[in-house]
Amino acid sequence: GQNIDQPTEMTATEGAIVQINCTYQTSGFNGLFWYQQHAGEAPTFLSYNVLDGLEEKGRFSSFLSRSKGYSYLLLKELQMKDSASYLCAVRDSNYQLIWGAGTKLIIKP
Amino acid sequence: ETGVTQTPRHLVMGMTNKKSLKCEQHLGHNAMYWYKQSAKKPLELMFVYNFKEQTENNSVPSRFSPECPNSSHLFLHLHTLQPEDSALYLCASSQDEASPYNEQFFGPGTRLTVL
Repeated sequence: GQNIDQPTEMTATEGAIVQINCTYQTSGFNGLFWYQQHAGEAPTFLSYNVLDGLEEKGRFSSFLSRSKGYSYLLLKELQMKDSASYLCAVRDSNYQLIWGAGTKLIIKP
Repeated sequence: ETGVTQTPRHLVMGMTNKKSLKCEQHLGHNAMYWYKQSAKKPLELMFVYNFKEQTENNSVPSRFSPECPNSSHLFLHLHTLQPEDSALYLCASSQDEASPYNEQFFGPGTRLTVL
């Protein structure tokens, strides 16, 4: 079967750095997405990786290793507004998105 | 309006009711999706329409019936639902289901409660 694993919940301190991991086993691979979802709101796109390596976008970076079936989202200089759920999703060989259950990130002052 | 809109935002219905959820996208996209989001579970893809044609039905019970009259509008018709159908129903759109970089844009969702 297809599976996306990410931690259920993480806690970090304002101003610090946090890394949210995602591992996947899917039938084929056509890219990995990270989305942010604030409570009661729509998921919004953060990043897309299809090749190995690190993609940096401001305070957020996303890393991919296809051989290890592994990705992480790195958030720097954490702000209170970063408190949200972070969803990892992989597009499989049929171009369907397989979603993880999301990681709830709690930022403390 | 811009982006993806959904109405109603909240819906409470009895198991014998019939209701419809509406989604509209103003992005000029050709693919639209219905997802179910339950607490602490992955997003569940329900239906996909690409250029108004249904391309995916993920073994969804027949009490959920989608309708896509044009590439901008998507409906989810509900009848004789069960309490376990209570969830957040999200609509999304993307440029084209099969394009390599296919970022999906989500609406705010309809919070459905079945009594």
